[in-house]
Amino acid sequence: DTAVSQTPKYLVTQMGNDKSIKCEQNLGHDTMYWYKQDSKKFLKIMFSYNNKELIINETVPNRFSPKSPDKAHLNLHINSLELGDSAVYFCASRHGTDTQYFGPGTRLTVL
Amino acid sequence: AQSVTQPDIHITVSEGASLELRCNYSYGATPYLFWYVQSPGQGLQLLLKYFSGDTLVQGIKGFEAEFKRSQSSFNLRKPSVHWSDAAEYFCAVGAGDYKLSFGAGTTVTVRA
Repeated sequence: DTAVSQTPKYLVTQMGNDKSIKCEQNLGHDTMYWYKQDSKKFLKIMFSYNNKELIINETVPNRFSPKSPDKAHLNLHINSLELGDSAVYFCASRHGTDTQYFGPGTRLTVL
Repeated sequence: AQSVTQPDIHITVSEGASLELRCNYSYGATPYLFWYVQSPGQGLQLLLKYFSGDTLVQGIKGFEAEFKRSQSSFNLRKPSVHWSDAAEYFCAVGAGDYKLSFGAGTTVTVRA
């Protein structure tokens, strides 16, 4: 069973469109994250939710809106996509102060 | 705030040779330290972690890392590299809160 899963794996879209990426974890963890990995492979945290509450929001444009319907899911919705949004987006989850476990990533390409 | 430096952007090593990847962190207290590996087109997999106790930590795939407080370092080592170890390696530091800060990564190329 996949611990942290993301859909879709690849997403190609036009500038200005709105898209969503979904993340689910079956580890029973209480904290979930979204990271962005740019073309130089630099990983930067975007958001974190703990028990469905937003606890980290790292200077991310308002076009990005995370939503956590329950502890096992953290979705990322992006409005008005821009070229600079092209990246790989990783979801991760963690229990307490322990290790973060990462999903396989979603490669977003904005044309 | 904590930060991580991985001084080596790219390392090339021969198969069977030893590998050492450097990681230096900046944090006032004892941090939580991690090494992750990312194979091409894949997500991040945890290799090993240090929270406390023995400063030499064993991980998966034959990797180990040593925490040296005096040098603010957490270098990753493997005695004999396999071609499948070619990947991107990330060092990360946590402060016991909800954040992890990652280094810029080191690309490892293995030559036959």
